Amino acid sequence: AQSVTQLGSHVSVSEGALVLLRCNYSSSVPPYLFWYVQYPNQGLQLLLKYTTGATLVKGINGFEAEFKKSETSFHLTKPSAHMSDAAEYFCAVSEKGSARQLTFGSGTQLTVLP
Amino acid sequence: NAGVTQTPKFQVLKTGQSMTLQCAQDMNHEYMSWYRQDPGMGLRLIHYSVGAGITDQGEVPNGYNVSRSTTEDFPLRLLSAAPSQTSVYFCASTDTGLFYNEQFFGPGTRLTVL
Repeated sequence: AQSVTQLGSHVSVSEGALVLLRCNYSSSVPPYLFWYVQYPNQGLQLLLKYTTGATLVKGINGFEAEFKKSETSFHLTKPSAHMSDAAEYFCAVSEKGSARQLTFGSGTQLTVLP
Repeated sequence: NAGVTQTPKFQVLKTGQSMTLQCAQDMNHEYMSWYRQDPGMGLRLIHYSVGAGITDQGEVPNGYNVSRSTTEDFPLRLLSAAPSQTSVYFCASTDTGLFYNEQFFGPGTRLTVL
């Protein structure tokens, strides 16, 4: 069975500082990996995904993540935080070849301080 | 395209009442799913469907029923609501082609069971 661990349920950064949100997964085979963002009272929006190929993937709003198989990690980064990045972020995995079921982490609430 | 729509946006029920949460998509997606979101637990899969007439259970199916009579609609039924079903419910859809594509989420239904 798959599982996803997001270290830190709350992360605070200053505007302009580096954003680092951590995600580790447990899976018998390397899965598909995703980061979603949820703004208050809204649904989830895909930030980026890794399915195959280059392990460093770039997403929307300046975010990127790197798949590290040896560390079973898929950490999300952004070089310079903006106030509009304040939201909840979810890491998710899906087994390759599965019927699209997603297993989510518990989420990380990002606060950006002025 | 409206994408994934959900109704109602908010609902308050009394214990034991039944209701149906509606979900519809206009993207001709084969795969549809229901998740519930609870604080500190991320999103958990309730039920999913890979096409009309085909449904299956996810991680937390107890107390919920689904059916898929058309490609567009995937309603979620609570037969006898319980306070433990107080949550935010999200519907999602995607295609089931060779390459893994983005899952599109609806705006959610906030359900309170008293």
